[in-house]
Parts: sequence; C-alpha cells; structure tokens
Amino acid sequence: KAGVTQTPRYLIKTRGQQVTLSCSPISGHRSVSWYQQTPGQGLQFLFEYFSETQRNKGNFPGRFSGRQFSNSRSEMNVSTLELGDSALYLCASSPVPEARAEAFFGQGTRLTVV
Amino acid sequence: AQSVTQLDSQVPVFEEAPVELRCNYSSSVSVYLFWYVQYPNQGLQLLLKYLSGSTLVKGINGFEAEFNKSQTSFHLRKPSVHISDTAEYFCAGRNTGNQFYFGTGTSLTVIP
Repeated sequence: KAGVTQTPRYLIKTRGQQVTLSCSPISGHRSVSWYQQTPGQGLQFLFEYFSETQRNKGNFPGRFSGRQFSNSRSEMNVSTLELGDSALYLCASSPVPEARAEAFFGQGTRLTVV
Repeated sequence: AQSVTQLDSQVPVFEEAPVELRCNYSSSVSVYLFWYVQYPNQGLQLLLKYLSGSTLVKGINGFEAEFNKSQTSFHLRKPSVHISDTAEYFCAGRNTGNQFYFGTGTSLTVIP
C-alpha cells in the first residue's frame, strides 16, 4: 500500500509569489491534515479536511488556504509569500477524522522563500 | 490552552546506554498521547501511542512509554540505544478532535 505522497518535495519561490502544494493520502483514507514545521515555531496545525469539507483551521492568516477533492487528495495554497513562510509542510492522512485513528505523515514539501 | 511540553531539547547518549525522553502534557489536552520520530528530511513516523488501558505502552524499535496521570507525564524510554536511533523525537497529544498538539521536539544523538 502506497504511503502519503506529497509533491513537490522541494520548492523555491520568491517573495510575493504564490505556491500550491499537493498531498495524496493513503488509499481509502478520507481525512487529511496539514502542518507547518519551522525551527522557531515547531509543528503547527494548519487545517484539516474530511469529505471535501474543512473541519478545523489553525491560527494562520488568510493567505493560507486549502481544499480537498472528491478522491481525498488535498492541496494547500499560500499566496503573497513571505520569507517567514519558509518551512517544511507536512500532510497527514487518517481513515477517519477521529483522535483514536492513526495518522500517517508524508515526507513533506520543503518550501524556501527568497 | 492545550499543550505538550518536552523538557529536553537535546539529549546526547552513548551507544548501548539507556535513554529517557521526557514529555509532560496539560491535563486539559489529552485524552490520547503519541510519540513520533523524524529522521533528517523525512516526515513523522509513529513510535507508539496511548489511547486507554495499560499505562505501559510498547512501540516499535524497542521503545516504550509510560502514561502517568498523576504526574501528567508520558516519558519515552529505551533500554539500549543504537546509532540508528539518532533523530528528532516529538511528543504529541490529541483530544476528541483530530488535531495534534506537538511538543517542541527532542534531538537525540547517539554517540559511538
């Protein structure tokens, strides 16, 4: 069974640009969550999707958005990039959005904003 | 506020020695507790989890953790570490929602 696939693995963007990151969950998993990992702030929750609906959102500005498609694949978008958006973005998939359900993480997308 | 605190940012230990990585949680957070490991340029891999039942939880790669409600702790232990255990370790809590609350991480370095 394939794991969680995040594309691209590495990305370099310029301040002011926008970027779209993709996450394909494990087959059969319908819940997808996104996290931002930085040396200063650690791992912070961005948002969670289930059945194409955003169920929960972390404390990030509106420049950060996401969506989920009918096949459970998810994308997150960051507009008007800032230097501080440089981070490792991790996606996690679960069969269902329950706290007891195991979450599987992808390898992440390393975004560098210059 | 819901939180998980990892008490040590860096832990050096000699190969084949025992190790304990400390984690405390706020009593308002967590119903469920987890330890994840992250190798360089990789995602997070689940080591073990506490959902309910026995307070001693065994995980992969010889790791175990003990849930202590009175001390609100969930420390990770391994009796004998290997070079390959060098990595970043994260303690996390989850309440009835699906969101993880991660600690700041502990960098474990195993010295040959």
